[in-house]
Amino acid sequence: AQSVSQHNHHVILSEAASLELGCNYSYGGTVNLFWYVQYPGQHLQLLLKYFSGDPLVKGIKGFEAEFIKSKFSFNLRKPSVQWSDTAEYFCAVNYAGNMLTFGGGTRLMVKP
Amino acid sequence: DAGVTQSPTHLIKTRGQHVTLRCSPISGHKSVSWYQQVLGQGPQFIFQYYEKEERGRGNFPDRFSARQFPNYSSELNVNALLLGDSALYLCASRKQEKDGYTFGSGTRLTVV
Repeated sequence: AQSVSQHNHHVILSEAASLELGCNYSYGGTVNLFWYVQYPGQHLQLLLKYFSGDPLVKGIKGFEAEFIKSKFSFNLRKPSVQWSDTAEYFCAVNYAGNMLTFGGGTRLMVKP
Repeated sequence: DAGVTQSPTHLIKTRGQHVTLRCSPISGHKSVSWYQQVLGQGPQFIFQYYEKEERGRGNFPDRFSARQFPNYSSELNVNALLLGDSALYLCASRKQEKDGYTFGSGTRLTVV
């Protein structure tokens, strides 16, 4: 069965620190990749997506992600986090179907 | 534009009862999906509908059913509720595959 792994369940950073959240998926075929964010008390919001083309994808709020096909990875990065980035982050993969398979999520806490 | 709207926002049901959750997609979005999010986990795919037809079904028992109406709104029905059905139920819609899904705020179901 297809699966998505997010290695870090909890991450604590200080403001201005750099962020990298890992995401690996199990399927070797064509995939569409997403990162969603869930701020406290809010609904899931799309941060960025990859369908094809440039493997370095830029999203909203200064986030970016890099698709590395050989490593089955789609890691999320941000050069300098802010307190307002405190949230839960979900990686999701569409395995050439209509369903999204989500990872277990990473809770990020940014200390002011 | 209004986002994806779900109703009710919260409800409490007793084991063995039936529940109907409702979703209105963003105007112009013909594809609707349902996900279950248990506390501390990523969302799990339940159903996907497009143009009133079921296009995908996740690994959920037959107690779960759904339908999509001509106006593209959707209902998720769960029969014979179990304590383990307590979760946040999310509805998501999209206009076309490359748009990614937009999620609603969810319905928090508690089964007692």
